Amino acid sequence: NAGVTQTPKFQVLKTGQSMTLQCAQDMNHNSMYWYRQDPGMGLRLIYYSASEGTTDKGEVPNGYNVSRLNKREFSLRLESAAPSQTSVYFCASTDPDRFYEQYFGPGTRLTVT
Amino acid sequence: DAKTTQPTSMDCAEGRAANLPCNHSTISGNEYVYWYRQIHSQGPQYIIHGLKNNETNEMASLIITEDRKSSTLILPHATLRDTAVYYCIVRGGSNYKLTFGKGTLLTVNP
Repeated sequence: NAGVTQTPKFQVLKTGQSMTLQCAQDMNHNSMYWYRQDPGMGLRLIYYSASEGTTDKGEVPNGYNVSRLNKREFSLRLESAAPSQTSVYFCASTDPDRFYEQYFGPGTRLTVT
Repeated sequence: DAKTTQPTSMDCAEGRAANLPCNHSTISGNEYVYWYRQIHSQGPQYIIHGLKNNETNEMASLIITEDRKSSTLILPHATLRDTAVYYCIVRGGSNYKLTFGKGTLLTVNP
């Protein structure tokens, strides 16, 4: 099993550009999450999807949109990137029977200039 | 959600036990204590969780005080690979929205 995979690993955008961060899991998990982590900070939840077909806002949703494409995939879109969105983005997933254990991907390092 | 307080950083000698404290004095009856860690540049990794009883798994032990206002994560024989930021998180029941604070940077020294 690959676990949770994220693409791309690194990305540089100019202010105003758009992009989609991809996340996929092969563990048949129902719930998926997007977090961002800024230097010296803990992780902050952007959006989550409790199950296929549902999405909800987390702590810092402004400037982002998400799509739960199917059970495996959960994408995060930046419509008009801003320097404040420079961060490391982590995707995670959980099995509802083991809700306490979130599995994280390796992260996408995004720089907006 | 209950707020947690952890030291900013700690050091430990390789091979010794690492004891990481966490205060959660406002924890309510249905809230669990979770521990995760994040090795540099990687995604966080689940370690252990508990409600009120002490717990042990292959990675660590979790000691929760009787009044549940604090807990300690114990890595029995720390190695250099245990150098990481350790997060103590308190969350209710099956609420899966975890809130990560700044955690404790544990440095294991040779």
